Amino acid sequence: SQQGEEDPQALSIQEGENATMNCSYKTSINNLQWYRQNSGRGLVHLILIRSNEREKHSGRLRVTLDTSKKSSSLLITASRAADTASYFCATVANSGNTPLVFGKGTRLSVIA
Amino acid sequence: DAGVIQSPRHEVTEMGQEVTLRCKPISGHNSLFWYRQTMMRGLELLIYFNNNVPIDDSGMPEDRFSAKMPNASFSTLKIQPSEPRDSAVYFCASTLTTGNTIYFGEGSWLTVV
Repeated sequence: SQQGEEDPQALSIQEGENATMNCSYKTSINNLQWYRQNSGRGLVHLILIRSNEREKHSGRLRVTLDTSKKSSSLLITASRAADTASYFCATVANSGNTPLVFGKGTRLSVIA
Repeated sequence: DAGVIQSPRHEVTEMGQEVTLRCKPISGHNSLFWYRQTMMRGLELLIYFNNNVPIDDSGMPEDRFSAKMPNASFSTLKIQPSEPRDSAVYFCASTLTTGNTIYFGEGSWLTVV
């Protein structure tokens, strides 16, 4: 399975701190995506990084991808209480035309 | 755009009853996915359609589960008969092209007692 595995499973930080979540996967990918899920809601796409990219930014989000290590990280800078959610990585196989396979997520709690 | 619309949002049913979950994908999207989320197993892909045709249903747990997409704007996931272990959140999602960003509905929270 190429399912992504997030690490840590849970993370608790103070408001204003940075939060880093990691994702590892097993097989070659076309792209890797990060999603966020607020309690009781559906998942919302945050950012997509392609296999030929190493880093991508979107607002307070920074995603890195290391295909040699088959890993990715999501950094949220200057965290806010509203960032409290579960964060999932999802991978798309090398062929590109396959559905996303999700990890089990990291539960982030940002304490005000 | 209203996004992916799922119904019902919540359902409580008795074991043995038939359950039908409904989904309206985003207009113009060609691919539709049904996922199931539980604490133990995380988010599992049950089945997905391209252009209304089922492509991969290997994630459907048992013959009790079936899914249809009669047209581009509607899909159903049916469980018959339902069992307590089917209790989960069922998400429908759609995308313009498989492999790119997908858009989730708010989920159908199913409890089978």
